[in-house]
Amino acid sequence: KAGVTQTPRYLIKTRGQQVTLSCSPISGHRSVSWYQQTPGQGLQFLFEYFSETQRNKGNFPGRFSGRQFSNSRSEMNVSTLELGDSALYLCASSPALNYEQYFGPGTRLTVT
Amino acid sequence: GIQVEQSPPDLILQEGANSTLRCNFSDSVNNLQWFHQNPWGQLINLFYIPSGTKQNGRLSATTVATERYSLLYISSSQTTDSGVYFCAVPNTGGFKTIFGAGTRLFVKA
Repeated sequence: KAGVTQTPRYLIKTRGQQVTLSCSPISGHRSVSWYQQTPGQGLQFLFEYFSETQRNKGNFPGRFSGRQFSNSRSEMNVSTLELGDSALYLCASSPALNYEQYFGPGTRLTVT
Repeated sequence: GIQVEQSPPDLILQEGANSTLRCNFSDSVNNLQWFHQNPWGQLINLFYIPSGTKQNGRLSATTVATERYSLLYISSSQTTDSGVYFCAVPNTGGFKTIFGAGTRLFVKA
């Protein structure tokens, strides 16, 4: 089976812009979670989707949003980008809620 | 919410040495994962180990859920083992997964 894929792999944006990141889970996996990794805060949970519904949400401002499509692919959107949003954004998929997770290679976002 | 502590924070080994990494968690959990993050940022699954012991080649892991800790053993370390090792557990407070701060391992040739 193909692994979790994320696009794009690298992205440079300017403050105030918005960005959309994409994640395609492993075939058959219905749960997709998103994480932000920064040197200062480590790996932090953003949100989790299962069957097109957001099941859990981390402690992030409303500028961070996401969605999941009927084929389980997921997107996350960050609006009004800030310098502090520069991070590695990781997506993980799992067959079901609260089960073993498999991570994609990540999208490295730089905000200038 | 649940607290996850990993130790040691940093570890430098000579190639061929053995090591033990520890993960303590503050509440009962029903699953636990160990990951290795390589220098390119990819998180690689090592073990899914809610309890008991598992082995995979030179790596093994033990979780004692009743005492709220897990151990990752690396034997005969190689330079390719370098990177950051994370443990992750579900947070019963509602968020999906809480990661420890990681153990940064450097294996010298």
